[in-house]
Amino acid sequence: AQSVSQHNHHVILSEAASLELGCNYSYGGTVNLFWYVQYPGQHLQLLLKYFSGDPLVKGIKGFEAEFIKSKFSFNLRKPSVQWSDTAEYFCAVIKAAGNKLTFGGGTRVLVKP
Amino acid sequence: DGGITQSPKYLFRKEGQNVTLSCEQNLNHDAMYWYRQDPGQGLRLIYYSQIVNDFQKGDIAEGYSVSREKKESFPLTVTSAQKNPTAFYLCASIRGQPSSGANVLTFGAGSRLTVL
Repeated sequence: AQSVSQHNHHVILSEAASLELGCNYSYGGTVNLFWYVQYPGQHLQLLLKYFSGDPLVKGIKGFEAEFIKSKFSFNLRKPSVQWSDTAEYFCAVIKAAGNKLTFGGGTRVLVKP
Repeated sequence: DGGITQSPKYLFRKEGQNVTLSCEQNLNHDAMYWYRQDPGQGLRLIYYSQIVNDFQKGDIAEGYSVSREKKESFPLTVTSAQKNPTAFYLCASIRGQPSSGANVLTFGAGSRLTVL
């Protein structure tokens, strides 16, 4: 069965610091990859997704993620965070042509003003 | 506005009671999903349904049941057989398949169930 690992459960950083959240998945075949974000009190929403093409994917709010197939990784990055980036971030993976989206354990990010 | 409505937002129940969580969508989406969210464990798939009158077990279906009698509705029953039912439950839906590229899962606001 496919699985998704997010290495950090909690991250605390100051505004303007750079952020990188790790995500690794276990499935060896073709996959589609996602990062979702859950701001305090809000619905889970999509940050970005990778299906094919350029492995560097840009999403909303200045986030980007790089798909490295050889490392089974899809790390999320933001060069300079803001206090409003405080949220929980989830990596997710689905097999190509699959129906089940599998999520990682999530990373809680706290940005101090 | 189109979206997914989950109710109730908060629910308390005593041990041994079944409880049903509602999920309604007016997005005309084909597939619907139920996830359970626990701290540090992310979202785990309970059940999903691709079409009306059909549904499949997810990774943690034991102690749960669902029905899909209408396209827009996918209620989840947490039965007394579920050993650790206290959790945050999220419903989601999508047009077509989540692996299609063009479509993404839309989530509801969630229902928080506490068993006393």
